[in-house]
Parts: sequence; structure tokens; C-alpha cells
Amino acid sequence: GAVVSQHPSRVICKSGTSVKIECRSLDFQATTMFWYRQFPKQSLMLMATSNEGSKATYEQGVEKDKFLINHASLTLSTLTVTSAHPEDSSFYICSARDREREYSYEQYFGPGTRLTVT
Amino acid sequence: KQEVTQIPAALSVPEGENLVLNCSFTDSAIYNLQWFRQDPGKGLTSLLLIQSSQREQTSGRLNASLDKSSGRSTLYIAASQPGDSATYLCAVFRGGADGLTFGKGTHLIIQS
Repeated sequence: GAVVSQHPSRVICKSGTSVKIECRSLDFQATTMFWYRQFPKQSLMLMATSNEGSKATYEQGVEKDKFLINHASLTLSTLTVTSAHPEDSSFYICSARDREREYSYEQYFGPGTRLTVT
Repeated sequence: KQEVTQIPAALSVPEGENLVLNCSFTDSAIYNLQWFRQDPGKGLTSLLLIQSSQREQTSGRLNASLDKSSGRSTLYIAASQPGDSATYLCAVFRGGADGLTFGKGTHLIIQS
């Protein structure tokens, strides 16, 4: 149980284009999802918290107009990187909390999406 | 601001050895601490989660301890195997709507 998927697993795009990454909870409903970014040899850094039906909360230094987050249903959150540039190339990982087990605060992680901007 | 430090950054040991990975955090006001494994280019696999009220958790050859007051956790791996080679990440959770704060990880290589 508690499986989170991400799509695509890898994406290469040209500078200036936008890319959408999907995060799905497959066997549970998630009112809260998180988006993290990991640069090479660095730790995962929280970018934003996505709440179903409301606006996302962004961490300091993360541009909300550049990284658009939509959490339209209890099983899907999307991250859109708008006008991507090479410095946005990174490994993006989402996680989700099971609404039936909110008390545990455990987060279930997706497999990640490798974004390369050329 | 919470900071998580993992020592050592890299470790290479022969197969069969027992080893300890260290994690420290600056703010002891945590709800839980979690250890993950990350294989190259892959996502995270949760290994152990310790609630702030617990002292340790065990799963197979893995044992994680938590000393919340001193801001330390250790991950003990017994009888290491080549398949244990990976990066091990420590992460703390403060509670509420917060995400996790991760360390940079320990890159572990088990030599066969």
C-alpha cells in the first residue's frame, strides 16, 4: 500500500518552454502533498506544500509564478515549471500524506522526475 | 532554522562489517525522524521512522536510535551486504503542515 507515482520519470526540454510533472497517490487519498528538489550531491529541499482545494504554500526563495502547483483532486498534484532554464535542471520528487493516517505524519515518496533543460 | 548534518559523507567498508551512520539536528523540537535509502537516480525508500517519544526502531538488519534532547540519531547496519550500497538520508519532521528537512546523506559502498 501507500504507493505514489510520478510522471514523467525523465524529461528533456528546451530553454523557455514549460514542463508539467504529475504526482499521484495510487491507493490512498492525500489532502497534503509536498514537492522537493534535489540538485546533484545535495540534499532534498522542500519547495512547496500542496493542499487539495487551496493554494500551495511555497518555501522562502521559491518563485510561485515560476513553479505552479495545482492540487485539484485528492489523488493528484501537478508541478509546472514555467519558462524553464538550465538552472532548473534537477531531480524533482513529490510526497504525499495519507488522509486516513494524518496522525502519523508519514510521507510517502514518489520515484522522482529528472528534468534536464537544454 | 532546522539543519540536519550527516557524518560521514561517504563510507566504504568490506562486506560483512557492522557500521553506524550518524545524523544530527539543531532543533530538538521534532515530531519524528526518518531514515531513507536512495539508489542512484532513484526516489526514496523509507527504512525506519522513529517518533519523538521513541528511542529506537528495528527492521531486519537495521536499527535506528534517537536521542531527541541531544539532537542525534544513528542508523546501525549489521552484517553489511553489497546490496546495501546506496545513499542513506536522514530527515526530521517538526509537525503540522511542515515538510521534511533532510541531511545531505551518507554515500555507502559495501565492497564484495
